[in-house]
Amino acid sequence: AQRVTQPEKLLSVFKGAPVELKCNYSYSGSPELFWYVQYSRQRLQLLLRHISRESIKGFTADLNKGETSFHLKKPFAQEEDSAMYYCALSLYGNNRLAFGKGNQVVVIP
Amino acid sequence: NAGVTQTPKFRVLKTGQSMTLLCAQDMNHEYMYWYRQDPGMGLRLIHYSVGEGTTAKGEVPDGYNVSRLKKQNFLLGLESAAPSQTSVYFCASTHGAIEQFFGPGTRLTVL
Repeated sequence: AQRVTQPEKLLSVFKGAPVELKCNYSYSGSPELFWYVQYSRQRLQLLLRHISRESIKGFTADLNKGETSFHLKKPFAQEEDSAMYYCALSLYGNNRLAFGKGNQVVVIP
Repeated sequence: NAGVTQTPKFRVLKTGQSMTLLCAQDMNHEYMYWYRQDPGMGLRLIHYSVGEGTTAKGEVPDGYNVSRLKKQNFLLGLESAAPSQTSVYFCASTHGAIEQFFGPGTRLTVL
């Protein structure tokens, strides 16, 4: 069963426009959620996690347990934000992660 | 620190051939993982290890075997490669603080 759902595969936005990547999860336990990012020709890296409640590179994400969502937002997209973004859920035990299918973000100059 | 490294970076195999992918980490991490990344499928966990000498199946283990003889190395083996195993393979490790550190990936093509 798909535990992490990212509905849009490709998202194109103009530079300076807001960007929102949706992530919904299904999990019976207490969820721990993350956003990972993969820039072109680079390895996957952690962007942010819900526990830290911080803003990284202008991105924020709020865990909404009622809606089982962890959407990623940035008010003003930059060209360097073009990348693949993955939402991930920590599964109970062994520090395993369940990843969504990813969102390809293209920021148009 | 090199972090997580993977060998080789690219490989082309013929159906039925075998090969081993090597993942090495120099961060003294206990946990190591092998994923495959396919378009539209995201990252799927193949096998993982919670410590030296241990391995466990992930989401898509069929057709793969793994070994963790040394803490710093995690090997992924394909005994008889199939075209369906054409993918990009990523290794990751963590010391239990949840964040996983990824290698650069191995692009495998099976003809």
